[in-house]
Amino acid sequence: EVQLLESGGGLVQPGGSLRLSCAASGFTFSSYAMSWVRQAPGKGLEWVSAVSVRGGTTDYAESVKGRFTISRDNSRSTLFLQMNSLRAVDTAVYYCAKDHRAYQPTGGDAFDIWGQGTMVTVSS
Amino acid sequence: EIVLTQSPGTLSLSPGERATLSCRASESVSSTSLSWYQQKPGQAPRLLIYGASSRATGIPDRFSGSGSGADFTLTISRLEPEDFAVYYCQQYGSSPLTFGQGTKVEFK
Repeated sequence: EVQLLESGGGLVQPGGSLRLSCAASGFTFSSYAMSWVRQAPGKGLEWVSAVSVRGGTTDYAESVKGRFTISRDNSRSTLFLQMNSLRAVDTAVYYCAKDHRAYQPTGGDAFDIWGQGTMVTVSS
Repeated sequence: EIVLTQSPGTLSLSPGERATLSCRASESVSSTSLSWYQQKPGQAPRLLIYGASSRATGIPDRFSGSGSGADFTLTISRLEPEDFAVYYCQQYGSSPLTFGQGTKVEFK
């Protein structure tokens, strides 16, 4: 079964850091670009970041550029999101998502598999 | 940034009725790089349509997508009870990827 499982969310103070992980299984992780998408409580979906199949190309939403870093470890089939200088507006459920087709340009595809999400709350 | 505007914000319908959801882009979406997702409370989004009109694996044929350029439509031909949810369009033709604000399909 194709599956994505996020972890690492929690409560953090403004200005703090958090590292999210997304463990993939059931497909060839190293063949697909991956993304993070977030959803603030009661709000819509917001794309956060994407990474290419080998990790050499990354892309970010303006709202997180310079604060968040996406990376991947293909040997462990795991996607990461390092979040620094967190703000209250970063409070959201964070989903990892898999590109629909293999070997697409970074951020250039629909997402056919999503994780269950991990909640990040930034509050003092 | 391509802004996607979905209408209506809420659609109140009964099972068996036809639902027509609109997604308009602030500029042309390249290569019909437009997808639709369904999201139910407490769940992750589910891919319904990609490439503007192709159904994802396992999606019933009552769901159909159409459109090109800056104007796209998701049609649910006959609503089933499990179809009452929020629907989002997304463009992936240019960075940043963007989503519409969603259309809620609710019981009338």
